[in-house]
Amino acid sequence: EPEVTQTPSHQVTQMGQEVILRCVPISNHLYFYWYRQILGQKVEFLVSFYNNEISEKSEIFDDQFSVERPDGSNFTLKIRSTKLEDSAMYFCASSDRGTNTEAFFGQGTRLTVV
Amino acid sequence: GENVEQHPSTLSVQEGDSAVIKCTYSDSASNYFPWYKQELGKGPQLIIDIRSNVGEKKDQRIAVTLNKTAKHFSLHITETQPEDSAVYFCAARTINQAGTALIFGKGTTLSVSS
Repeated sequence: EPEVTQTPSHQVTQMGQEVILRCVPISNHLYFYWYRQILGQKVEFLVSFYNNEISEKSEIFDDQFSVERPDGSNFTLKIRSTKLEDSAMYFCASSDRGTNTEAFFGQGTRLTVV
Repeated sequence: GENVEQHPSTLSVQEGDSAVIKCTYSDSASNYFPWYKQELGKGPQLIIDIRSNVGEKKDQRIAVTLNKTAKHFSLHITETQPEDSAVYFCAARTINQAGTALIFGKGTTLSVSS
């Protein structure tokens, strides 16, 4: 069964460092998303990406964040100058166009900023 | 923007009992309502969804109902089993726009004891 894969599963970084979280969406999907979940809290939308550009972003997704689809398979989230409060589980998701509107989530990357 | 409220935050039932989780939403333009199950350390997994042109949908032991007038929707799990224990999230999205975000509720921790 096709699935969204994310790497790494766990990333520990020093405050102020840059991190890149990687995702491989389901191959025929056209819409890509990043969400985050702070421990014990709800899943929050960060950004959606379609046709090589951001289609929507939340208030959380400020200049510290950027997304990229560097090739035909990967979708990345870059966090510059990480802060302690960036510690969270980051989920990548993808969805197909048309009638199939389900979003499929990856297993997540746990980011710990120390 | 959309706001999704979810109740209860925790729910404990005996194996074989039914469990009901309720959500309300604020944006009348929302027309897609998925439910996700999240097990410990994993990403959210879609278990059932409903679109606004349907009032009820069933899939074996799981059913979802939608009341568009009242802007609320509910998840019903019958004959609960210990493996149903997880965190359940409701969400809402407008599907007539490209890549629009899923807005999640705060989640319900369901515990099924045998």
